[in-house]
Amino acid sequence: QQQVKQSPQSLIVQKGGIPIINCAYENTAFDYFPWYQQFPGKGPALLIAIRPDVSEKKEGRFTISFNKSAKQFSLHIMDSQPGDSATYFCAASMYGNKLVFGAGTILRVKS
Amino acid sequence: DTEVTQTPKHLVMGMTNKKSLKCEQHMGHRAMYWYKQKAKKPPELMFVYSYEKLSINESVPSRFSPECPNSSLLNLHLHALQPEDSALYLCASSRSGHGNTDTQYFGPGTRLTVL
Repeated sequence: QQQVKQSPQSLIVQKGGIPIINCAYENTAFDYFPWYQQFPGKGPALLIAIRPDVSEKKEGRFTISFNKSAKQFSLHIMDSQPGDSATYFCAASMYGNKLVFGAGTILRVKS
Repeated sequence: DTEVTQTPKHLVMGMTNKKSLKCEQHMGHRAMYWYKQKAKKPPELMFVYSYEKLSINESVPSRFSPECPNSSLLNLHLHALQPEDSALYLCASSRSGHGNTDTQYFGPGTRLTVL
């Protein structure tokens, strides 16, 4: 119940494509869903986050779609660039508990 | 400014050595975290300090000893480590005490190699 399942494990897209990374959770008490981007040898950096009272949030080229009834959320990267090549982690948390991470998706954007 | 700094960037130590990792934030955050991350895996929570008190220890072996001297500093003391402890050690902080769903900001990490 504390798990967050993330897919795909890896993803290759052409420059300008729209990679989509999906996450699913079971625990309906989760109320905060951040996405982190991590480059090799660096710490994770917060990309964008959403709470379950909204169905979509955009920040620049990054969009989170949230489906509360399906208990799923996804990250879309518009007009992807080679510099977006990184590992992406979804996560979830709820009051009083730790951040639960998905397994990660390695994204490669080919130029 | 959302910067968490960590020193050193790299550390190589023998199994009999004693060393320390340091983490610092000046954002006024009241919760600080230590995570361990192995290659191609997500970060694993080790310890949480909330308002300078240890609030969570995720059953971490005693060869790892955390310390929070003040609200801006977090240390991780290392002693008698094993080669399998080699990993990226990440520090993070968040605005409120642990338990609130505030954003966690991560530092760049210390790459630890145990020989």
